[in-house]
Amino acid sequence: EAQVTQNPRYLITVTGKKLTVTCSQNMNHEYMSWYRQDPGLGLRQIYYSMNVEVTDKGDVPEGYKVSRKEKRNFPLILESPSPNQTSLYFCASSLGQGTDTQYFGPGTRLTVL
Amino acid sequence: QQQVKQSPQSLIVQKGGISIINCAYENTAFDYFPWYQQFPGKGPALLIAIRPDVSEKKEGRFTISFNKSAKQFSLHIMDSQPGDSATYFCAASGDLNRDDKIIFGKGTRLHILP
Repeated sequence: EAQVTQNPRYLITVTGKKLTVTCSQNMNHEYMSWYRQDPGLGLRQIYYSMNVEVTDKGDVPEGYKVSRKEKRNFPLILESPSPNQTSLYFCASSLGQGTDTQYFGPGTRLTVL
Repeated sequence: QQQVKQSPQSLIVQKGGISIINCAYENTAFDYFPWYQQFPGKGPALLIAIRPDVSEKKEGRFTISFNKSAKQFSLHIMDSQPGDSATYFCAASGDLNRDDKIIFGKGTRLHILP
C-alpha cells in the first residue's frame, strides 16, 4: 500500500529536550516536505527536499532541522523544542514539486511543556 | 503576494444543501489550484484540482469554479452530506522565484447538519 508514515503519532516532551519525528514514504517520491498545522493558520511549510541531500527552508523553518540521506526518509529534528512548537505536524511527499499531488502522512501531535 | 486567502473559516450547512468555500490569490504565476480534504485525525488528501485553462471542473458532487480575471476560485459541494464534514484547504502552486511551490489557504471547517 502506497503511504507516508510518521512516528511517533503523539509526543509530549519538555522544553529543551531534543526530539526527532521520523517520516518515510514507499512511493519512490523525490519531493518531501514538512508542514505544521495550527488553528487559524492552516498548513505552513517548514522545510522541503527535492531529492537526496537537497533540502531548503519553507515558510517557518526557525527551530527545526531536517536531513535527507535516503530517498524514502525525511526526519524532522527539534534540537531544543520550545512551547511555541506545540503543534500538529505533517510530512508529505510527491513525485515532483508543487504541481504534483501531495500525499500526507497521518500527522504527529507534539506538545512541548 | 504569495498568499492564498480562504473564506469562510467555518461553515455550517444543512444536509442536502450547497456548501461553498472561496479562495483568492494574487500571484499570476500560480497555475495549479488543488483542494484538499482533511478528516479529524487524518492527514489532508487531494479532493479535486483545476488548471486555469478551464473555468469549471466537476467530479461527482464536487465542483471547482475558477475565475482567472478575478484571481478567485471556489469549491461547491452539492447535496452536502454529513460525511462531507471535514476541513477543506484550497491551495495554489506554480513557479515562484524559480521554485515550484504550493501555498495553502488557512482552511475551512465544514459541518453538515444531519
